[in-house]
Amino acid sequence: AQSVAQPEDQVNVAEGNPLTVKCTYSVSGNPYLFWYVQYPNRGLQFLLKYITGDNLVKGSYGFEAEFNKSQTSFHLKKPSALVSDSALYFCAVRDGGTGGGNKLTFGTGTQLKVEL
Amino acid sequence: KAGVTQTPRYLIKTRGQQVTLSCSPISGHRSVSWYQQTPGQGLQFLFEYFSETQRNKGNFPGRFSGRQFSNSRSEMNVSTLELGDSALYLCASSSLLGGQGTEAFFGQGTRLTVV
Repeated sequence: AQSVAQPEDQVNVAEGNPLTVKCTYSVSGNPYLFWYVQYPNRGLQFLLKYITGDNLVKGSYGFEAEFNKSQTSFHLKKPSALVSDSALYFCAVRDGGTGGGNKLTFGTGTQLKVEL
Repeated sequence: KAGVTQTPRYLIKTRGQQVTLSCSPISGHRSVSWYQQTPGQGLQFLFEYFSETQRNKGNFPGRFSGRQFSNSRSEMNVSTLELGDSALYLCASSSLLGGQGTEAFFGQGTRLTVV
């Protein structure tokens, strides 16, 4: 079974400051890891993914994420937050074996609030 | 390139009725997955279809069903609606099977309210 934990329900940060949204995962096979963002009454927008290779993954809108195999973590980061980054962020995992298909297991989400 | 299209966007139904939601994936995508999002349970996987075959099913009662057509469009049906079925239903499409590491693209969702 695969699982994702997002330990913080909400993260508050001042505009211009760096932000981190935490995620840890558990999966039996190779982890495929994803970050999505959701704005109110909208679907999920893909931000970035880790499949293999470099542990630092760069994605959309200046976001990046660091994969740490030993800590089973995949934290989302951005060097300088914007008010427009305020949204709900989801971390998701998929088992890299084909038996899992495209089933994603999501964390509970972290509400990011960026204030002026 | 058009994104994932879900219809309708909003739906109000009465307990005991049934409902059908529709999803048109991105052109060329053959995998369609459905998720239920509620404040209490978060995002939960319902099922996945690939080339008209159900590949995975989540832990939902048999009242929840789906199908995929030869053009990859998918529908999900919920029969005998309960108040607890009120949720945002999200459809996601992917180009390949999961082993290739492709990301899923989500539609805007259908907001179902059961009264």
